[in-house]
Amino acid sequence: AQTVTQSQPEMSVQEAETVTLSCTYDTSENNYYLFWYKQPPSRQMILVIRQEAYKQQNATENRFSVNFQKAAKSFSLKISDSQLGDTAMYFCAFMKRHPGSMLTFGGGTRLMVKP
Amino acid sequence: GAGVSQSPSNKVTEKGKDVELRCDPISGHTALYWYRQSLGQGLEFLIYFQGNSAPDKSGLPSDRFSAERTGGSVSTLTIQRTQQEDSAVYLCASSLEVRASPEQETQYFGPGTRLLVL
Repeated sequence: AQTVTQSQPEMSVQEAETVTLSCTYDTSENNYYLFWYKQPPSRQMILVIRQEAYKQQNATENRFSVNFQKAAKSFSLKISDSQLGDTAMYFCAFMKRHPGSMLTFGGGTRLMVKP
Repeated sequence: GAGVSQSPSNKVTEKGKDVELRCDPISGHTALYWYRQSLGQGLEFLIYFQGNSAPDKSGLPSDRFSAERTGGSVSTLTIQRTQQEDSAVYLCASSLEVRASPEQETQYFGPGTRLLVL
């Protein structure tokens, strides 16, 4: 079974600054995906970024980038130029590349962006 | 195109009553998932549908929970004889295919149904 751990229950950052959210996972699988999802107060779970385990290059999506360390089983999210709209719960998630694989989520990090 | 939709948005029920939650996946998506988000348990997988295959029910917490997917599209999650511990947000997600490209295997979520059992 897979486990995903987010060790930071809450974080805050000043608008326009950079913040990094941590995630570690445990698996014996070799072929998998890692995701960061964002859940604002509206409750909608929104995909932020995806990383394929077979890719060494870290994924980036505009202001969002990851630091994927496969050997260390670490997958952190960096948000640059933080905006007020980034205030949300952030969930790290793991998914095996098998048919019908479900997402395994971490406990979440509540991020507050302060003006 | 339209995203995943869920109804109702909120549901309040009395203990012991049955409830039905509906999920309409993204058009053309063959895979559909139900998850539960509760304060005590975090986000948990409940059930998975893929095309016409038998569903993976391994995450259902008890036999009071059941789900069906009609015509390979809309899904209904039914909770019988609701209990207070069933209070949670129920999230539905869909993906285009499995065993395909990363983009096609990525799950996209609906806005959820918040269930409160009094």
